[in-house]
Amino acid sequence: KNEVEQSPQNLTAQEGEFITINCSYSVGISALHWLQQHPGGGIVSLFMLSSGKKKHGRLIATINIQEKHSSLHITASHPRDSAVYICAVCVDSNYQLIWGAGTKLIIKP
Amino acid sequence: DGGITQSPKYLFRKEGQNVTLSCEQNLNHDAMYWYRQDPGQGLRLIYYSQIVNDFQKGDIAEGYSVSREKKESFPLTVTSAQKNPTAFYLCASSNAVALYSGANVLTFGAGSRLTVL
Repeated sequence: KNEVEQSPQNLTAQEGEFITINCSYSVGISALHWLQQHPGGGIVSLFMLSSGKKKHGRLIATINIQEKHSSLHITASHPRDSAVYICAVCVDSNYQLIWGAGTKLIIKP
Repeated sequence: DGGITQSPKYLFRKEGQNVTLSCEQNLNHDAMYWYRQDPGQGLRLIYYSQIVNDFQKGDIAEGYSVSREKKESFPLTVTSAQKNPTAFYLCASSNAVALYSGANVLTFGAGSRLTVL
């Protein structure tokens, strides 16, 4: 079983829908990263969380340390949000990241 | 603008050949990383470097080699010993070794896609 599990693996939605992508992990962590990978392959860091909630534009990330779970939400989704969203956790006192396999999101106009 | 430059973007290699992927950053980041990405899998760490002239093996270092002679540069050589080198390779850097730092940002290059013919 992977230490970081993302769900769903694939998600297709209509423009304007509220999107939720989930990340569950089984190890003790000091931080969790959400990243976005566009079809060209480049990866952009969206959020780093160690507790609570962060918001940037239409993106909201939450984390529940006790439940070992994080969610990434996209409000008013747009076709340009289509990408692979990746969750990665930083293990306590370690500089290495454990990566989820990603969620492929397609937003149809 | 600051960032990470990877080259080449696409590379084809014959079996038995070594190839070197370039990674250059002008972000003044101390730490640099090489990851491999295969379809349907999470990124896997090949090598990382916290400081010039020092680097450590990641989870899948076999068949790869790196050097860190300059802070800005962290080239990856895919050797003929790598059994299945066809993959997408991503270089990243961060301004702190500890990726749990609140001030830390992990920055990625655009990637290099290697295909073995």
